[in-house]
Amino acid sequence: AQSVTQLDSQVPVFEEAPVELRCNYSSSVSVYLFWYVQYPNQGLQLLLKYLSGSTLVKGINGFEAEFNKSQTSFHLRKPSVHISDTAEYFCAVRDLGADGLTFGKGTHLIIQP
Amino acid sequence: NAGVTQTPKFQVLKTGQSMTLQCAQDMNHEYMSWYRQDPGMGLRLIHYSVGAGITDQGEVPNGYNVSRSTTEDFPLRLLSAAPSQTSVYFCASNYREGFSGELFFGEGSRLTVL
Repeated sequence: AQSVTQLDSQVPVFEEAPVELRCNYSSSVSVYLFWYVQYPNQGLQLLLKYLSGSTLVKGINGFEAEFNKSQTSFHLRKPSVHISDTAEYFCAVRDLGADGLTFGKGTHLIIQP
Repeated sequence: NAGVTQTPKFQVLKTGQSMTLQCAQDMNHEYMSWYRQDPGMGLRLIHYSVGAGITDQGEVPNGYNVSRSTTEDFPLRLLSAAPSQTSVYFCASNYREGFSGELFFGEGSRLTVL
């Protein structure tokens, strides 16, 4: 069964600094990869996704992620964070042919002024 | 389009009471699912359905029942609520064929069991 590991439960970073949120998944079969963002007291919103093609994926709000098949990773990056980026970020994986997503436990991004 | 609609948004129950969380989608999605979100645990799949009349268990199904009589609706039933079921519940849906891959989420239902 697929599993998703988000290595950091909490990441504090100063405003305008770069950030990387790490995500690794277990299965080496063909997968689709996603990052979702959850702002306080809201539902989940898609940030970006990798289905095929270029391994560097750009999403909303200046975020991007790179798919690395050999390392089974899909790390999320932003070159300069803003206070409004404070949120919970979830990495999720869907196996090719499957219907649902397997989620990581989430990373809480805390932006310090 | 309304997308995925969940009701109620908030609910307080006493131990042993029953209730149904409603979920409806207007995107003609075949796949619908229920997740629960708990601090430090991420989202865990409770039940899912790949079409009307078809349901299956996810990772944490105990204490919950589901049915799928129409494509649009996928209610989640708690027959005898327990404090361990205090959580935020999310309904999500997507296409099975020709899909974009992503799940579309409702805004969540916050349940407290006393």
